Amino acid sequence: GAVVSQHPSWVICKSGTSVKIECRSLDFQATTMFWYRQFPKQSLMLMATSNEGSKATYEQGVEKDKFLINHASLTLSTLTVTSAHPEDSSFYICSAPIAFSGTDTQYFGPGTRLTVL
Amino acid sequence: AQSVSQHNHHVILSEAASLELGCNYSYGGTVNLFWYVQYPGQHLQLLLKYFSGDPLVKGIKGFEAEFIKSKFSFNLRKPSVQWSDTAEYFCAVNSGGYQKVTFGIGTKLQVIP
Repeated sequence: GAVVSQHPSWVICKSGTSVKIECRSLDFQATTMFWYRQFPKQSLMLMATSNEGSKATYEQGVEKDKFLINHASLTLSTLTVTSAHPEDSSFYICSAPIAFSGTDTQYFGPGTRLTVL
Repeated sequence: AQSVSQHNHHVILSEAASLELGCNYSYGGTVNLFWYVQYPGQHLQLLLKYFSGDPLVKGIKGFEAEFIKSKFSFNLRKPSVQWSDTAEYFCAVNSGGYQKVTFGIGTKLQVIP
């Protein structure tokens, strides 16, 4: 089946620094990828849609200047958390869809746990 | 806007018991429905999906779900759970294409040997 990887799987950083998270589709091309955030005991919340070759689309309430998304190629999207603060500590998950017969199934990466001290 | 509600947040069952996890969605148009599972320490995996056709969908590991359009429901079932089914289960919906998927809050299933 399709594989989506994320790197790093776990990162700790100091408050005020920036952290970059990579999402790669390993055996398929993805013109679109999605970034989610998952708080403890809560569901996945879509943050933004990453579009290859164009600007990302952010969900309401998500600061685009804080969460920078770059879809550099058909297999790579990056999420950079700028000037991270402790409240940004969370589990970040990306996904990429593959279309089957006009509908799509999303494949998820393993997630990146960010801890901001 | 679409939304998903899962009624049971934490379910504890003994092995061999039957399982039914409720999922209701709100969206007036054509939807695609999914159940994802997240085993401890692992990433989300697709358990089963409904796009069209037979409303009774069979997935991996003996799971099945029934789409009842009139009730806006997509409940997950398994006749006999195993300890290895201990995981968190998420119901999700999207309206087709590359549009966003909306997830329910998740149900944590604990199966006691």
